[in-house]
Amino acid sequence: DQQVKQNSPSLSVQEGRISILNCDYTNSMFDYFLWYKKYPAEGPTFLISISSIKDKNEDGRFTVFLNKSAKHLSLHIVPSQPGDSAVYFCAASKWTARQLTFGSGTQLTVLP
Amino acid sequence: NAGVTQTPKFRVLKTGQSMTLLCAQDMNHEYMYWYRQDPGMGLRLIHYSVGEGTTAKGEVPDGYNVSRLKKQNFLLGLESAAPSQTSVYFCASSYADRGLDGYTFGSGTRLTVV
Repeated sequence: DQQVKQNSPSLSVQEGRISILNCDYTNSMFDYFLWYKKYPAEGPTFLISISSIKDKNEDGRFTVFLNKSAKHLSLHIVPSQPGDSAVYFCAASKWTARQLTFGSGTQLTVLP
Repeated sequence: NAGVTQTPKFRVLKTGQSMTLLCAQDMNHEYMYWYRQDPGMGLRLIHYSVGEGTTAKGEVPDGYNVSRLKKQNFLLGLESAAPSQTSVYFCASSYADRGLDGYTFGSGTRLTVV
């Protein structure tokens, strides 16, 4: 039973437009959420995070939104660039547990 | 600053063979983790360690053993490899007392069991 779900395996977006990646979770004990980016033949790298006490966190072109009542978070990338093409993993944790539970990932392709 | 280094990067094993994957980190991180990545499954935690000499089971520990004899190294062993263990394995490390943002991953080991 996957506790973190990314229901879209892939997403294609035109360069300059907005990319929206979605993630749902089932475990109400999760209180910290992260997005990781992964290029082929490399390990995942941290992108952005959000604590459950917030509903939005912004870092440059990347914004993460958290809807606790719906157990849903999303990552917005504006504007999308070809270099953003990668697999994006959503991850969640209970802060004190210090173990990340990952979603299955979404392959984002930004078309020039 | 090498970060997290995994060896080997690729390996092909026959069913029943054994091998050890090595993870080394030079950031003085207390915590270390082993994940496997399979298509459609994301990254799943195999085992982790909260300090030298300690290990604990993650989500999918069966068929694997680990050891952390030194703070900087975390070994993942397969005693009798099975085709179901064909996967990409990632090691990660983090500080114990800082944000979860601080996970650092290695570049992975692609293992094929035939």
